[in-house]
Amino acid sequence: ETGVTQTPRHLVMGMTNKKSLKCEQHLGHNAMYWYKQSAKKPLELMFVYSLEERVENNSVPSRFSPECPNSSHLFLHLHTLQPEDSALYLCASSQDSGSESTDTQYFGPGTRLTVL
Amino acid sequence: AQSVAQPEDQVNVAEGNPLTVKCTYSVSGNPYLFWYVQYPNRGLQFLLKYITGDNLVKGSYGFEAEFNKSQTSFHLKKPSALVSDSALYFCAVRDWSYNQGGKLIFGQGTELSVKP
Repeated sequence: ETGVTQTPRHLVMGMTNKKSLKCEQHLGHNAMYWYKQSAKKPLELMFVYSLEERVENNSVPSRFSPECPNSSHLFLHLHTLQPEDSALYLCASSQDSGSESTDTQYFGPGTRLTVL
Repeated sequence: AQSVAQPEDQVNVAEGNPLTVKCTYSVSGNPYLFWYVQYPNRGLQFLLKYITGDNLVKGSYGFEAEFNKSQTSFHLKKPSALVSDSALYFCAVRDWSYNQGGKLIFGQGTELSVKP
C-alpha cells in the first residue's frame, strides 16, 4: 500500500465547505484513477487520467473536480457536497500501455469522507 | 454488456478448511481477470490476475484462482483458510469498451468470514 498514498485519511466537512483530497503514487505509473466506494455498492469509477490527460468522466456531478498536475499526483476538489457523497474515496494508479493493457491497478488506503 | 458477478454476499468458512469465493464474468474481448482483497478501513490490495496461459493462477497469501472459459468463471480458492483471511474480496475484469488502458469493472464484493 505504500506505493500509493492518500491524504487525509479521514475528512468531515459541511455542505458549504471546500476541501481537497490528495493522492500520490511512487510507482512510476502513467495513469491514475478516482473511485467512490459506498456501503453495499460496487466500486464506482469516477475519473481516469492517462498521461496527465483526463480520459474518462463517468457522469460525476460537477461538485467533484479532479486535477492531475503531473503523473505522480492526483487531486479531487470538493465543494458544496451532499450527505449522500459520504463514502470512501479510493485512488489507484497503473501503467497504461495502450489498448492491450494488462496492467494491474494499485490502490491507496482511501479517504473516509463524511458530509454533514 | 460487460459485467462481473459475485453471487455470494458472504462466505463463512472454518479455519483450516478450503475456501472458494465465486466470480463469473461477461466480456466482449479477451478476459483479463483480477482479484483484490480489502481489509477494514484499507484500500484494495492486488491478489492475482489471469491474462493468458495456465488456467490456474497463483497469487499472494496462498490464494489461487481457476480460470474456466466454458463456464466464464474465475473462482478464488485457498486450500486452508486462516482467520486473518477474513476480509472483503473483489473480482474485476478489464473493460474493453475503454481502449486507452486498464479500466476495470468490479463485482459487488464478497465478505469472507473465517471462524476459529
